[in-house]
Amino acid sequence: DTAVSQTPKYLVTQMGNDKSIKCEQNLGHDTMYWYKQDSKKFLKIMFSYNNKELIINETVPNRFSPKSPDKAHLNLHINSLELGDSAVYFCASSQGPSQGQETQYFGPGTRLLVL
Amino acid sequence: QKEVEQNSGPLSVPEGAIASLNCTYSDRGSQSFFWYRQYSGKSPELIMFIYSNGDKEDGRFTAQLNKASQYVSLLIRDSQPSDSATYLCAVNYQKVTFGTGTKLQVIP
Repeated sequence: DTAVSQTPKYLVTQMGNDKSIKCEQNLGHDTMYWYKQDSKKFLKIMFSYNNKELIINETVPNRFSPKSPDKAHLNLHINSLELGDSAVYFCASSQGPSQGQETQYFGPGTRLLVL
Repeated sequence: QKEVEQNSGPLSVPEGAIASLNCTYSDRGSQSFFWYRQYSGKSPELIMFIYSNGDKEDGRFTAQLNKASQYVSLLIRDSQPSDSATYLCAVNYQKVTFGTGTKLQVIP
């Protein structure tokens, strides 16, 4: 049983396309996150939701739009893909955002390549 | 100034030695500190967390926190080739921020 799953694992697409990445967790956690890890391995937070509410919204282009239909799911939609969007996108979840709850469990990652 | 800083390495240690990984952070109000390990092509996984000043031991791993110096470290005793990975320091101040990671190579 995978705790945090993401689909697809690999995504190769052309510039200008729109794509979505899906994430699901079966840990019963309240908080979910999207991270971008670039070629230099820097893991940067993009968004966080707690119980379906957006609590962290870092400075990312508004071409990126998260959506949380319920607390077990957090999807990421990307419009008008650009070369610089190529990276590994990780979904993660934690019990909550507060101290003692914030240990994060990561999904396997989605490797996005924009051509 | 980066919020969480780590030496990118690589840090090379012989098998059986102690590996020492360091991390400094800028926000004095930071409350929680984490070490994650990331193997190449895989996702980060938690090794340890620490909240209070001092040392916390778990098997071959010891996390050390000094809030006055804004410094957290991870010691790996009896290093094994399987410990070769990138180690990410993460600090929680309003949100969890990751360092850029230190690549550790354990030489057999």
